[in-house]
Amino acid sequence: AQTVTQSQPEMSVQEAETVTLSCTYDTSESDYYLFWYKQPPSRQMILVIRQEAYKQQNATENRFSVNFQKAAKSFSLKISDSQLGDAAMYFCAYVQGGSEKLVFGKGTKLTVNP
Amino acid sequence: NAGVTQTPKFQVLKTGQSMTLQCAQDMNHNSMYWYRQDPGMGLRLIYYSASEGTTDKGEVPNGYNVSRLNKREFSLRLESAAPSQTSVYFCASSDQGRFNTEAFFGQGTRLTVV
Repeated sequence: AQTVTQSQPEMSVQEAETVTLSCTYDTSESDYYLFWYKQPPSRQMILVIRQEAYKQQNATENRFSVNFQKAAKSFSLKISDSQLGDAAMYFCAYVQGGSEKLVFGKGTKLTVNP
Repeated sequence: NAGVTQTPKFQVLKTGQSMTLQCAQDMNHNSMYWYRQDPGMGLRLIYYSASEGTTDKGEVPNGYNVSRLNKREFSLRLESAAPSQTSVYFCASSDQGRFNTEAFFGQGTRLTVV
């Protein structure tokens, strides 16, 4: 079974600085997709960024970017110029191509200090 | 647009009581899902429905039943609630049954079983 591991239960960053959240996954498949979701205190799940395994180029969305290392099965999220509104739980997630089963990591709680 | 709507937002049950969590989406998505979120555990899939009339078990289906009433609605039923089912429940939907497209989540239901 596929697993997703987030080794950092909590992280903190100073406002305007950069932070990287780690995620590793375990799969024998070649067709899959990876995601980072943000969950602020409101509980709403918000898609931050998505990466297709077949794409070598790392995905970016404004201040959010990923470092996708397929051979190492690593998918880290970098947040640049951190803002107070970035404080939230961040979940890494994996889905095999053609499957409906989205598997989540246990999450990383990010605190942004003013 | 409402997106994914869950009701109720909060609920307290006594052990042994039953209840149904309702979920509706207005995005014409084929696939719908029920997750539970527990501290330190991420989101775990309970059941999912790839299309109207079909349902499948996820990672933690025991103690739950589901009904895909029509394309819009997917309900989760607890027949005899237990304290171990205290959790936050999320409904989600996606297009074409593939999470390689964005999944949309409801606001969650906080359920406490005493």
